Amino acid sequence: DSGVTQTPKHLITATGQRVTLRCSPRSGDLSVYWYQQSLDQGLQFLIQYYNGEERAKGNILERFSAQQFPDLHSELNLSSLELGDSALYFCASSDPGGLTGELFFGEGSRLTVL
Amino acid sequence: LAKTTQPISMDSYEGQEVNITCSHNNIATNDYITWYQQFPSQGPRFIIQGYKTKVTNEVASLFIPADRKSSTLSLPRVSLSDTAVYYCLVGEYNAGNMLTFGGGTRLMVKP
Repeated sequence: DSGVTQTPKHLITATGQRVTLRCSPRSGDLSVYWYQQSLDQGLQFLIQYYNGEERAKGNILERFSAQQFPDLHSELNLSSLELGDSALYFCASSDPGGLTGELFFGEGSRLTVL
Repeated sequence: LAKTTQPISMDSYEGQEVNITCSHNNIATNDYITWYQQFPSQGPRFIIQGYKTKVTNEVASLFIPADRKSSTLSLPRVSLSDTAVYYCLVGEYNAGNMLTFGGGTRLMVKP
């Protein structure tokens, strides 16, 4: 158990819909990262937040947005969903004061768009 | 961020030592090298990290030559449960920007 909690674990929805994925980082971790992994593909970095502020942006579509709240949990909002958005979405957290900068990943949210 | 290149896949047999090499020709002075392991439908898990020479922990060793333009993850005596995808990342650990996972190396361990 990494200590990172993601909900929901599974989500099935239709094209054009909007969903929100939630992530609670490990206790004390200030950074949250979102990744997308399509079937048999590598991990695509989407976005990073640090203590509520956006820190880095990757290949995140304009239809996607994220935020980190004062209690440090984060939400990834996916709108106008397309079939190609079906993927595993991982959240990770890290402690910037840690020895290795290790990313701790949650178990992921599997999104299926029909 | 330094770009990394790894073999797409490797096969091995139980009990053998496996070495996976990662190329990172434009590694920066402050960059560290980190390896992660990922099982299907699970999030990646940290294996080992190093800056130069050799690092060893209970599961793997990491060899980094003096020019740091490559690194080799060594898994001693692999078992079937080591079948996974292994990712090499390069970046500044204290800046929290080890963000880019390449394609990884898919290791298949056979009986």
